[in-house]
Amino acid sequence: DAGVIQSPRHEVTEMGQEVTLRCKPISGHDYLFWYRQTMMRGLELLIYFNNNVPIDDSGMPEDRFSAKMPNASFSTLKIQPSEPRDSAVYFCASSTTGGSYNEQFFGPGTRLTVL
Amino acid sequence: GDSVTQMEGPVTLSEEAFLTINCTYTATGYPSLFWYVQYPGEGLQLLLKATKADDKGSNKGFEATYRKETTSFHLEKGSVQVSDSAVYFCALSVGSSNYQLIWGAGTKLIIKP
Repeated sequence: DAGVIQSPRHEVTEMGQEVTLRCKPISGHDYLFWYRQTMMRGLELLIYFNNNVPIDDSGMPEDRFSAKMPNASFSTLKIQPSEPRDSAVYFCASSTTGGSYNEQFFGPGTRLTVL
Repeated sequence: GDSVTQMEGPVTLSEEAFLTINCTYTATGYPSLFWYVQYPGEGLQLLLKATKADDKGSNKGFEATYRKETTSFHLEKGSVQVSDSAVYFCALSVGSSNYQLIWGAGTKLIIKP
């Protein structure tokens, strides 16, 4: 299995620009999670989906952040407009109800730098 | 609410030393407990897990025992290697229908040769 795929791996953008992060979960997984990791705040859950439906988006920091999952094999996390404080590593993870007790499989992350 | 508390890092040890990273939790119900590891520049990956009291999870020489009486899940390894340098996260989930994990803050481990 290819694992969770994220793109791009690195993104450098200027403040005010729109940023779109992409994630392809493991085939057959029905849960998808978006996390943000920073030195100051550690690992934060932003939003998660079950069967393409957003279940809990209480971790999304503000309206500048939005996430979609149009089908079982693709999700996006969009930031518009981006700000320097959004600089972080963003991880996507997936899991399955048919798998081993809530094990989440993480992608390699997207390192976002907003100048 | 449910929470996980880990010992603060960084933890610095010499190669072949004994490792303990403490993890305690607060949870309603009967959680499953996990240790994840994050190597530099990579995503998190499951290291070991335990799904009920007194279970011992083990992998790659690491062990952790689910202690309900002390609400703990401490990570141990008898002889660490430089390649074990990473950040270690303790996590829990409550309920077989809740796939969200509650995460500890992570503990950075540095092993010196």
